[in-house]
Amino acid sequence: EAGVAQSPRYKIIEKRQSVAFWCNPISGHATLYWYQQILGQGPKLLIQFQNNGVVDDSQLPKDRFSAERLKGVDSTLKIQPAKLEDSAVYLCASSLGGDNEQFFGPGTRLTVL
Amino acid sequence: EDQVTQSPEALRLQEGESSSLNCSYTVSGLRGLFWYRQDPGKGPEFLFTLYSAGEEKEKERLKATLTKKESFLHITAPKPEDSATYLCAVQAWAASGGYNKLIFGAGTRLAVHP
Repeated sequence: EAGVAQSPRYKIIEKRQSVAFWCNPISGHATLYWYQQILGQGPKLLIQFQNNGVVDDSQLPKDRFSAERLKGVDSTLKIQPAKLEDSAVYLCASSLGGDNEQFFGPGTRLTVL
Repeated sequence: EDQVTQSPEALRLQEGESSSLNCSYTVSGLRGLFWYRQDPGKGPEFLFTLYSAGEEKEKERLKATLTKKESFLHITAPKPEDSATYLCAVQAWAASGGYNKLIFGAGTRLAVHP
């Protein structure tokens, strides 16, 4: 079974630039999550989708972050404009449903200079 | 507010030296407590889910236990390949029905030396 795919794996940008991350969940998984993991901390949920609807985006900085899940499969997370404090690993995870174990992708390491 | 605290932050063991990692939590209505392993440059890998006090689960050299206030991850006779960061997360029941998001602790970095 293929795991959660993410790209790119690494990204370096200047502050105020924009960046986008892509996630392809495990086939058949209805729930998709985006997490932010700052160095030395645990992952923090940014947004949760159930199929193509948003379940929880309470911790998403909506003035600069946006996310979509087209057709209930792939998802993109965008940051525009980026700030220095956005430097982190962005993890995508998926699960069969909201109460099932989550499978994580390898993450995208973002460095904002 | 739901909160998870893991200790110690880092732990260095000799191969074969058993020890325990602690995860203490404050949550209003625990639905489940989750343990994950994270290797450098990788996403977290699911290990266990515990749902009620007194529950125990085992996998190879790892055993997770749960009380009403904390969980322990016991590592018996660890090997160098057990070196990783171990993350604990809690999920609470939501007041409106359903359940809330996972709240992760900062993790314990385990290094096992031969």
